[in-house]
Amino acid sequence: AQSVTQPDIHITVSEGASLELRCNYSYGATPYLFWYVQSPGQGLQLLLKYFSGDTLVQGIKGFEAEFKRSQSSFNLRKPSVHWSDAAEYFCAVGAAGTASKLTFGTGTRLQVTL
Amino acid sequence: DAGVIQSPRHEVTEMGQEVTLRCKPISGHNSLFWYRQTMMRGLELLIYFNNNVPIDDSGMPEDRFSAKMPNASFSTLKIQPSEPRDSAVYFCASSLNGVSGNTIYFGEGSWLTVV
Repeated sequence: AQSVTQPDIHITVSEGASLELRCNYSYGATPYLFWYVQSPGQGLQLLLKYFSGDTLVQGIKGFEAEFKRSQSSFNLRKPSVHWSDAAEYFCAVGAAGTASKLTFGTGTRLQVTL
Repeated sequence: DAGVIQSPRHEVTEMGQEVTLRCKPISGHNSLFWYRQTMMRGLELLIYFNNNVPIDDSGMPEDRFSAKMPNASFSTLKIQPSEPRDSAVYFCASSLNGVSGNTIYFGEGSWLTVV
């Protein structure tokens, strides 16, 4: 069975500082990996995804993530955080196959101080 | 291009009442997912359909919950009778052919409060 662990429940960073959100997954084969962001009262928006190829993927809003198979990780990074990045971030893993599903981590809430 | 459309966006109902949540997936998508989000349990997959057929309903909490997908453009999630512990945000999502190489798009959610 697939699973995702986001070890940090809550992170606070200063505006302009760099950010790294951790994500570890468990899956027997090559996973499909995603990062979603959820602003308060809103739905989930896809930031970026990894299916294959280059292990460093670029997403929207200046985010990037790196797939490291040896560490079973897919950490999300941003070099300079903006106050508008305050939200909850979810890592998710999917399995190959046409009728597959997405399993989410418990989320990391990001607070940005000015 | 319209995204996943859910209705109602907000609903407050009394315990014991029937609740029906509706979802219109993105046109052309053949996979549909219902998720529930609560503070205590995070995002849980309730059920997913592929080509209108339920593939996995193991996440449906109990018999009070049921989901249908009568055609490719419409799905419902019904709770009967509703209980206060059902209060949550229910998300519908859709994709083309599951997860394989494709993105799952989420609706904005139906915010349910059972009093």
